[in-house]
Amino acid sequence: QVQLVESGGGVVQPGRSLRLSCAASGFTFSNYGMHWVRQAPGKGLEWVAVISFDGSNKYYGDSVKGRFTISRDNFKNTLYLQLNSLRPEDTAVYYCAKDPGSGSNYVFYFDYWGQGTLVTVSS
Amino acid sequence: QSVLTQPPSVSAAPGQKVTISCSGSSSNIGNNYVSWYQHLPGTAPKLLIYENNKRPSGIPDRFSGSKSGTSATLGITGLQTGDEADYYCGTWDSSLSVVFGGGTKLTVL
Repeated sequence: QVQLVESGGGVVQPGRSLRLSCAASGFTFSNYGMHWVRQAPGKGLEWVAVISFDGSNKYYGDSVKGRFTISRDNFKNTLYLQLNSLRPEDTAVYYCAKDPGSGSNYVFYFDYWGQGTLVTVSS
Repeated sequence: QSVLTQPPSVSAAPGQKVTISCSGSSSNIGNNYVSWYQHLPGTAPKLLIYENNKRPSGIPDRFSGSKSGTSATLGITGLQTGDEADYYCGTWDSSLSVVFGGGTKLTVL
């Protein structure tokens, strides 16, 4: 069965960096686009970024553009999110999620999600 | 302020039916498929509806979706206490991003 397991969250000071990981199993990871979605405390879901199956295309939400970088290692079946210049408003549970579209065909919805990892940005 | 507009909360009695609306614009819902997610706090969100009205395997037919113009609706019939959760609509937007509604908290009285 499909499993997505996030890790790397924690407490970090404003302006610092953090890298999140998402270990994938149960499907051919290299065939699918992958997303990061976050949820701040008491708020709704916010899409963060997407990466294509081969890592050649990436899109970002406006609130993280220029600060966050999505990447993947298809040999390790792992998705990453590098968070730089962190702000208190980046405090959230970060979820990785699978796009059902294979190859270059994003469909921009999410058929499987991980349990999330909490990032807290605070001095 | 979310791009898509959902009611903050809905409620109904067990066994009854409820609908949750999701309003957008021609930049998003009007020209793209809508998906719906169920989210219980502390758990992974679950896909309920994709491409406006399709259910993934394992999702009971008590859950249904529809779209008309720039709005979409999630319907849930035969309400159960286990349906209490937050529900989100989502779609692609011409700003090159996925957008969500603000979420609707369903209470089964």
